Amino acid sequence: EAAVTQSPRNKVTVTGGNVTLSCRQTNSHNYMYWYRQDTGHGLRLIHYSYGAGNLQIGDVPDGYKATRTTQEDFFLLLELASPSQTSLYFCASRDRGQAPLFGEGTRLSVL
Amino acid sequence: GEQVEQRPPHLSVREGDSAVITCTYTDPNSYYFFWYKQEPGASLQLLMKVFSSTEINEGQGFTVLLNKKDKRLSLNLTAAHPGDSAAYFCAVSGAGFASALTFGSGTKVIPCLP
Repeated sequence: EAAVTQSPRNKVTVTGGNVTLSCRQTNSHNYMYWYRQDTGHGLRLIHYSYGAGNLQIGDVPDGYKATRTTQEDFFLLLELASPSQTSLYFCASRDRGQAPLFGEGTRLSVL
Repeated sequence: GEQVEQRPPHLSVREGDSAVITCTYTDPNSYYFFWYKQEPGASLQLLMKVFSSTEINEGQGFTVLLNKKDKRLSLNLTAAHPGDSAAYFCAVSGAGFASALTFGSGTKVIPCLP
């Protein structure tokens, strides 16, 4: 069964902390995406990737790095977390022309 | 880049009544259109995918209309029931190899007793 798995599901860190959010898909999809969801803004694209080693900048990339190590794994890195990055983060994978399949989300709080 | 405006942000609808959510987009080359449903505390669940060549699509309890001339996409909930209580998001992408989705800001639907 197609799946996108995110970890951790919840994370609390302090301002200036270092956070890595993980995403794994078992769908053999080429495209993977990181979005953040905030009230009143819908989902906003942070970074995305076409395949292992590829990285594309999304609409709200400031303060975030990402790395696609394999076709299955896509990581989002916050190296100096700030309270403005408190949000609900979704990872998604997609094949060309198909609807993205979303993970369950990671709720991040930066104190 | 693509911009998607979704209205209204909140929608109270009596059970059994219909309700319409509308998205307008800016890129005339947009090709794929999606509606997602998000129940409280849950992830996004695909309701419908719309191709640019199809104007009317029917699902279970809803209809999706695409007007490419006006660059407008709408979701019509045909007879609201408690299971419709959720946030709904439209999303738009181009046909190109590199196209990512641009989402609307969402509509929170709250069915209320008739």
